[in-house]
Parts: sequence; C-alpha cells; structure tokens
Amino acid sequence: GQQLNQSPQSMFIQEGEDVSMNCTSSSIFNTWLWYKQDPGEGPVLLIALYKAGELTSNGRLTAQFGITRKDSFLNISASIPSDVGIYFCAGPINYQLIWGAGTKLIIKP
Amino acid sequence: ETGVTQTPRHLVMGMTNKKSLKCEQHLGHNAMYWYKQSAKKPLELMFVYNFKEQTENNSVPSRFSPECPNSSHLFLHLHTLQPEDSALYLCASSLSRGGPPLEQYFGPGTRLTVT
Repeated sequence: GQQLNQSPQSMFIQEGEDVSMNCTSSSIFNTWLWYKQDPGEGPVLLIALYKAGELTSNGRLTAQFGITRKDSFLNISASIPSDVGIYFCAGPINYQLIWGAGTKLIIKP
Repeated sequence: ETGVTQTPRHLVMGMTNKKSLKCEQHLGHNAMYWYKQSAKKPLELMFVYNFKEQTENNSVPSRFSPECPNSSHLFLHLHTLQPEDSALYLCASSLSRGGPPLEQYFGPGTRLTVT
C-alpha cells in the first residue's frame, strides 16, 4: 500500500543547531501534516500544510511542500532540548491519514 | 478534563484475559480513531468512527472489538490477545466535515503488554 518515507530515521544534534527532515511519497498530496510525539504521550500536531508553494511557520518550526508535491520538509531553527522527540509526517488518502515511521531527534550531550 | 483522555495508561494482561481500553474526547469532535503504534513503524489505523458509526476496519483481527456509544467515548475491547499485540494503543479524534480527516488530536495512549 501507500507509504510515506521519512528521512533521516534519527538525528543527533547539538543544541542551537538547525534541523531539517523530509517526508516523501509515491503520489501527490494536497495536504501534509507534521506531528511531534514526546515520550509517553500521543502525537501533537505542529504544522498543517494546505497550500503548495507557501512556507508555513509555527515559532521556530517551518514546513513546506516539495516542488513535486510528493514530498514535504520540516525545519527547526536553533534547536533546544525540548525539541527532542519523534517527528511524524502524515497525509490523507481515501478518508484516512497515512503516516511515516518518524524521525527521532536526539540532542547530543 | 480537556483534550483526549485514555485509560488505563498501562496494562499488562495474559493471553486469556479480557480487558477494555477507554477513550474520551472533550473537544466536540464527531470522529474517533484507534491506532496501534509499534516501535519504529508508522502508526497503524485500526478503526474509524464517524458520528458513532464505524466507517473503517483495517483488517483488524476479531480479538480487537471496538465500541462507540456516543461521539465522545470510544472503547477497545480485548480478548485472547497474542504477545505480538503488545504496543502503544492511541486514540484520536477530529472534526469531520465529510472529507478526509485532517487535524487529528491524540490521547496519551495505553501501553499494552501481553504476557
């Protein structure tokens, strides 16, 4: 079935670094959703993308469609310790959301 | 209570037990979902309810039985589970306007261990 591929699978970063991750699909999406999951919690919606070509921001987070609309990017600027967690992309297909396997963000001590 | 709540947060059960997971949403949403989350895998959608009617059952084994008595409450009844059913079970809700689900709001999940 349809899959969303996220990369990288995990990232080790220093506090203060900028972070970039992406999500790719074999088909075009008109909507992309980015969620974050903290340990012991359910995913929380960070950014919803509804319009190709626009950059959507939520504080230090920005996300956008890729040129082909078969992908999406999430960027985090000046990372802080509370940014650690797993970031998921999701997109709607046939009245359901399908999900990527996540990118795990880890802050190097 | 606000948002989406789930009880219990942790559950250990034997393969012959019967237990139930409970989810409640306080957001005024009309659609509710059960997902299974296993480590390093995408979330797996199990069941969808719109306006209390089940609209999706993604080939889930019959040992999982959902129940949605009203738009705010969702249950997942479990019986004769297998060890591979151990996972985090997430409930979510959304406001359905007839199109595909977009912004879903999740509960904290029930960590299930089958021994």
